[in-house]
Amino acid sequence: QVQLQESGPGLVKPSETLSLTCAVSGYSISSGYYWGWIRQPPGKGLEWIGSIYHSGSTYYNPSLKSRVTISVDTSKNQFSLKLSSVTAADTAVYYCAREGGYSNFDYWGQGTLVTVSS
Amino acid sequence: QSALTQPRSVSGSPGQSVTISCTGTSSDVGGYNYVSWYQQHPGKAPKLMIYDVSKRPSGVPDRFSGSKSGNTASLTISGLQAEDEADYYCCSYAGSYTPYVVFGGGTKLTVL
Repeated sequence: QVQLQESGPGLVKPSETLSLTCAVSGYSISSGYYWGWIRQPPGKGLEWIGSIYHSGSTYYNPSLKSRVTISVDTSKNQFSLKLSSVTAADTAVYYCAREGGYSNFDYWGQGTLVTVSS
Repeated sequence: QSALTQPRSVSGSPGQSVTISCTGTSSDVGGYNYVSWYQQHPGKAPKLMIYDVSKRPSGVPDRFSGSKSGNTASLTISGLQAEDEADYYCCSYAGSYTPYVVFGGGTKLTVL
């Protein structure tokens, strides 16, 4: 059974960089698929942030691309998100997920709330 | 790259059928057969219900079905049950030279 678990600080100061990691178990990232990050501001809808292949190939949401970096560590079977210059608008539950096909997220983590506040 | 358009809310009585629409453009919904649908209960992670327009993952009841016509995709839930009450999101692969993924704004389904 594929399982994903997000981890990282729950509170980030404005203008700083948000950093999260997603640990994958039950499946080797090196075996394939894209792996993505999706976020959901409180009371609002889902927003795709970006996805990465095990080779390191990425594609990002055009509206966030200038601030986003997604990386993968196959030796630890995990992938990470960095979002720079955060503001209160970046406060959200951040989910990691396996992209089983084009825009097809078949396994999700439980999500982690990140609040941007001084 | 705007979000796909979904109705804010729909409702139906147990046993009835409801359809949720998802309207995009020729650059996303209309251009690819890569539309997926997610069910989200409060405080929970989204769950994949339909992918590639009309395919159901293992374990999803056949009461859930998907279709597409032009730039609009639809999710139909037949034989409504109380546990179907949730938020539903559509999602589409998009772009050509610079691919991306776009979600709909979400639809709240109320089972009366």
